[in-house]
Amino acid sequence: ETGVTQTPRHLVMGMTNKKSLKCEQHLGHNAMYWYKQSAKKPLELMFVYSLEERVENNSVPSRFSPECPNSSHLFLHLHTLQPEDSALYLCASSQAVMGYEQYFGPGTRLTVT
Amino acid sequence: EDQVTQSPEALRLQEGESSSLNCSYTVSGLRGLFWYRQDPGKGPEFLFTLYSAGEEKEKERLKATLTKKESFLHITAPKPEDSATYLCAVPAISSGSARQLTFGSGTQLTVLP
Repeated sequence: ETGVTQTPRHLVMGMTNKKSLKCEQHLGHNAMYWYKQSAKKPLELMFVYSLEERVENNSVPSRFSPECPNSSHLFLHLHTLQPEDSALYLCASSQAVMGYEQYFGPGTRLTVT
Repeated sequence: EDQVTQSPEALRLQEGESSSLNCSYTVSGLRGLFWYRQDPGKGPEFLFTLYSAGEEKEKERLKATLTKKESFLHITAPKPEDSATYLCAVPAISSGSARQLTFGSGTQLTVLP
């Protein structure tokens, strides 16, 4: 595997389900990110994990819960989602948080029914 | 609040018809401006990083330039395979939070054969 990988690529879940998205980076980077991309909207940063810090976007609902067990893996735990949470969820990594380009995975297309 | 604005929202070109995409920003102390290409249903693909006014970067038919207020992505003699959404991003302060990579809404480029 190379670059940033994400699983699953597609996910359909009901509002009462619990699921997790997985991201793995093979670039030796020290920072990882979760983004949400909805139709006709800019990429929205949800969470940042780095050696130095964890940063959250204060507008992200608590039904999204990140986990970063090490510098190569990142999870996004989902529970009791709403239909408006349907979107493309993208994981990215970079060498450090500031001033470095981010490399993105292919994304997970999430549909909440 | 720092902002990133891209124009036009959509651009249709004939194959071989050169043009430019614009990314204007209002941030204090620029710490890099990033250009990405995104194909439908995929994660953004990193293209360029620019750090200081006057800097230019080139890749095949693409050239990115930077001034103190904006960046341009020039596309010379485009081909249909250049069709994609082009995103720019800068580390910016949003809603009082620490600097986060803030993306513009993108320019959707269509190159017709």
